[in-house]
Amino acid sequence: DQQVKQNSPSLSVQEGRISILNCDYTNSMFDYFLWYKKYPAEGPTFLISISSIKDKNEDGRFTVFLNKSAKHLSLHIVPSQPGDSAVYFCAFLGGGSNYKLTFGKGTLLTVNP
Amino acid sequence: ETGVTQTPRHLVMGMTNKKSLKCEQHLGHNAMYWYKQSAKKPLELMFVYSLEERVENNSVPSRFSPECPNSSHLFLHLHTLQPEDSALYLCASSQDRGRTYNEQFFGPGTRLTVL
Repeated sequence: DQQVKQNSPSLSVQEGRISILNCDYTNSMFDYFLWYKKYPAEGPTFLISISSIKDKNEDGRFTVFLNKSAKHLSLHIVPSQPGDSAVYFCAFLGGGSNYKLTFGKGTLLTVNP
Repeated sequence: ETGVTQTPRHLVMGMTNKKSLKCEQHLGHNAMYWYKQSAKKPLELMFVYSLEERVENNSVPSRFSPECPNSSHLFLHLHTLQPEDSALYLCASSQDRGRTYNEQFFGPGTRLTVL
């Protein structure tokens, strides 16, 4: 039972353009939503989060959007930079646990110079 | 050292061996976690310790035994593992503030291979 789906295993974007990463979920009990970035041979690094009472949160070049009715989470990176090339995971908290992060399988973003 | 560190970074063991993974966090957090990432699968939570007490055990087999001697250190003791236990084992920490959600900070992981 896959509660979180990142349907695009990979995404390629030109430097300077917008990268849009998407995530769908099924568990309506999730109420805190996070994005992590992972470089090879490193652990996931926390990027940005949003709680269920909001629909948008910005931090510099990164913006997270939450559409609760559609159970859809997205991450926008603009402008994209080659250093953004990494695997991006959406992750969710809630559903009865304050601790259990439920992760998607990840999307490999490649930003081409 | 800063952040969350894990040792060893790579481990190869036989099915009859006993080994331990170590995690140390330098962030002043009070909660620590073990996650497992198998090939082509998402990260899965194994155990959670908050204030040195185990608060979650996500149906993990008993051949994995966690230990949290203090809020900065977390161990995962391994014995009689199976080849399907080969995976990346990640440690994380967070500041547990009770009823609020908190971001978790991850170590680099230990790549475990069971022969």
